[in-house]
Amino acid sequence: QKEVEQDPGPLSVPEGAIVSLNCTYSNSAFQYFMWYRQYSRKGPELLMYTYSSGNKEDGRFTAQVDKSSKYISLFIRDSQPSDSATYLCAMSESGNTPLVFGKGTRLSVIA
Amino acid sequence: NAGVTQTPKFRILKIGQSMTLQCTQDMNHNYMYWYRQDPGMGLKLIYYSVGAGITDKGEVPNGYNVSRSTTEDFPLRLELAAPSQTSVYFCASSLSDTQYFGPGTRLTVL
Repeated sequence: QKEVEQDPGPLSVPEGAIVSLNCTYSNSAFQYFMWYRQYSRKGPELLMYTYSSGNKEDGRFTAQVDKSSKYISLFIRDSQPSDSATYLCAMSESGNTPLVFGKGTRLSVIA
Repeated sequence: NAGVTQTPKFRILKIGQSMTLQCTQDMNHNYMYWYRQDPGMGLKLIYYSVGAGITDKGEVPNGYNVSRSTTEDFPLRLELAAPSQTSVYFCASSLSDTQYFGPGTRLTVL
């Protein structure tokens, strides 16, 4: 079993839809959970960051972590064509240990 | 601040050639990382460094070498290029938990 599993998609939704992106993991020592957004031919950029379990909201984006189920989610409300990108989940055991990435989910939001 | 810069943006190598991918950050970050990204495969850690003079292997270090003589620079060396090293290479740096990525180097080995 891979350490971090993420459905690669592709996922195609109409503009305005609610998008749900998910990752599961096997290492119970993971404490730091992140979502990165990567536009085509660009480097990843940090979108959301959560420490341990719980929810975090930032504008149209909500990140959820359920450590008991080893499951993390990213929700995008009122999705826009500009949200079209690859979304990578990443996690680590402590603040500066290397991140372990999922394979990324490619999202297309159609106007 | 320029953040994390990488050169070159693109490169084509012949099998057996060598090259150095350059990475520089101007944020005074102690931690620096090299990843490779293959299509549909996410990011895999090659090497990382927790400070000048200290480097450590990641998940896929074979065929690569690094050095960290200054805080700012973290070059990645390919000694004998192989087709399996065709990939997009990303450098990243961090102060604590947030990693900042460069724009990447797209490398093709023929």
